Amino acid sequence: GAGVSQSPSNKVTEKGKDVELRCDPISGHTALYWYRQSLGQGLEFLIYFQGNSAPDKSGLPSDRFSAERTGGSVSTLTIQRTQQEDSAVYLCASSLVRRGPGETQYFGPGTRLLVL
Amino acid sequence: GNSVTQMEGPVTLSEEAFLTINCTYTATGYPSLFWYVQYPGEGLQLLLKATKADDKGSNKGFEATYRKETTSFHLEKGSVQVSDSAVYFCALSGRGGGFKTIFGAGTRLFVKA
Repeated sequence: GAGVSQSPSNKVTEKGKDVELRCDPISGHTALYWYRQSLGQGLEFLIYFQGNSAPDKSGLPSDRFSAERTGGSVSTLTIQRTQQEDSAVYLCASSLVRRGPGETQYFGPGTRLLVL
Repeated sequence: GNSVTQMEGPVTLSEEAFLTINCTYTATGYPSLFWYVQYPGEGLQLLLKATKADDKGSNKGFEATYRKETTSFHLEKGSVQVSDSAVYFCALSGRGGGFKTIFGAGTRLFVKA
């Protein structure tokens, strides 16, 4: 596609429910990133994929968070047993090659998650 | 570890005013430095970048110079427009951090007509 797409654009859920957020990167981009942006905060790194593997999961805040990437393309971020503090905008980005010097990331519009 | 500090917002300016958004960083080695911009309702997009000391990144009338001696990458524009209203993020990536991109907290800019 022309850019990074994410779905849904907005998600409202009840505390304790599981949610899945989807990211479709730019075709041919091998690197994919998930970030979280809480109100008034900067971007918090969650996880980095190179192809289908995740060499850096250091930003996942708890074991309720997991992500996978299949076919070197689409990625899904899953949050189990959601909590109110999970409410944020979840951003996905992709880049052409692996994480490296001067690399430019291309961001999707984000999924705004609200946990009631 | 690597970190980025940028001035808190919001910054409110009148059209045609001069803009400076300060950004300083801490990093080992020689990181690449970036400014990303997030317009209302849109995703982040790269505004400009510089990959070595004394380089100047520029785009859409915005400029930032990589200053190794002051570990800074301040964003400037000589004459802002209403359409520049957005949130601006300073970022870095460097070998010392495994090239993980570290973002500042963002600075919201409002430009009044």
